[in-house]
Amino acid sequence: DAGVTQSPTHLIKTRGQQVTLRCSPKSGHDTVSWYQQALGQGPQFIFQYYEEEERQRGNFPDRFSGHQFPNYSSELNVNALLLGDSALYLCASSLAFRDRGRSPLHFGNGTRLTVT
Amino acid sequence: GQQLNQSPQSMFIQEGEDVSMNCTSSSIFNTWLWYKQDPGEGPVLLIALYKAGELTSNGRLTAQFGITRKDSFLNISASIPSDVGIYFCAGIKAAGNKLTFGGGTRVLVKP
Repeated sequence: DAGVTQSPTHLIKTRGQQVTLRCSPKSGHDTVSWYQQALGQGPQFIFQYYEEEERQRGNFPDRFSGHQFPNYSSELNVNALLLGDSALYLCASSLAFRDRGRSPLHFGNGTRLTVT
Repeated sequence: GQQLNQSPQSMFIQEGEDVSMNCTSSSIFNTWLWYKQDPGEGPVLLIALYKAGELTSNGRLTAQFGITRKDSFLNISASIPSDVGIYFCAGIKAAGNKLTFGGGTRVLVKP
């Protein structure tokens, strides 16, 4: 049973560039969430996708956008990268957006993004 | 910023000791979760709590959902070296599975 997989594992970009991170959810899961984890801190919610639509969004600027595909996989795009965007980006999947929190999130191992 | 306050921020353990950590909030959460994160990996779910007052165990781990719904604690009994890592509490306020995380408790081995 494949868990949540993310690619790439590491990425180095320059300020002003754009980046796309990818996520495949755990088998059977249909909801994907993205989190940003700065060094030494807990993850911060970016947004959540269900049925190919953004359903919830955290306090992140429009430079952060996403997409969910019919096979439930997802992409996170960040435009006009800033040094402060350097972080571990975690993807998490769960089952049934409408389930009232009883489908705990399963996390991937993340993509480590470094902006220079 | 984070709305959940975890304490302690870090702690040293000796094999065989019991360990306690807690998480508090100024607002109510309807679900509490405890995750462990090892270096280079994503958080792994340890325990999920869905009802105020609920006490749940998973092996040597025990967690409780506070009656006020504003706090939770995690106990680890008879700690072993592989218990080292960062433990995060997380809360969910409403349907939709959006998690709010605490800042983490770093568990280290006593030198």
